[in-house]
Amino acid sequence: AQSVAQPEDQVNVAEGNPLTVKCTYSVSGNPYLFWYVQYPNRGLQFLLKYITGDNLVKGSYGFEAEFNKSQTSFHLKKPSALVSDSALYFCAVRDMNTGFQKLVFGTGTRLLVSP
Amino acid sequence: EAGVAQSPRYKIIEKRQSVAFWCNPISGHATLYWYQQILGQGPKLLIQFQNNGVVDDSQLPKDRFSAERLKGVDSTLKIQPAKLEDSAVYLCASSSTVVQETQYFGPGTRLLVL
Repeated sequence: AQSVAQPEDQVNVAEGNPLTVKCTYSVSGNPYLFWYVQYPNRGLQFLLKYITGDNLVKGSYGFEAEFNKSQTSFHLKKPSALVSDSALYFCAVRDMNTGFQKLVFGTGTRLLVSP
Repeated sequence: EAGVAQSPRYKIIEKRQSVAFWCNPISGHATLYWYQQILGQGPKLLIQFQNNGVVDDSQLPKDRFSAERLKGVDSTLKIQPAKLEDSAVYLCASSSTVVQETQYFGPGTRLLVL
């Protein structure tokens, strides 16, 4: 069964500094990997996904993520954080080899960007 | 393009009462999902429909939860009777049938069971 780990409950970073939110995954086959962001009292907003091809994926709002197959990781990054990036971030994985499109989510990482 | 619509946004009920949530997916999306997000956790899939058929309901507590998507468009999730532990945000998502396609989420319904 697929699973996702987000080892940090919270990440603190100063505005203008680079940020990284960590994610590792486990699947039996090849993964589809996703990042979503959740603002208070809102649903999940799609940021980016890795399906195949280039290991560096660029997404919305200046975010990017790097797929590393040997380390089974898919860390979310941004070169320069904004206060408005403060939110809850979820990593999710789908096993490419299953017939269903079931997404399994991590527990989330709260990002706090200070002015 | 309109997003996924959900109603109501908030609901407060007492335990043992029943409640229903409604979802209208993005136009043309054949696949619809209901997730439960308990505070401090990631969303957990309850049920997945493709058109009006159930694809996966392995994590749906069928003794109290039910869902339908009769015409293959909008969907209703019902809880009867509700328990305290059902307090959560119920998220609806939709996607096309292509396997690698993205799931797009609605704003959710926040349920509080007292």
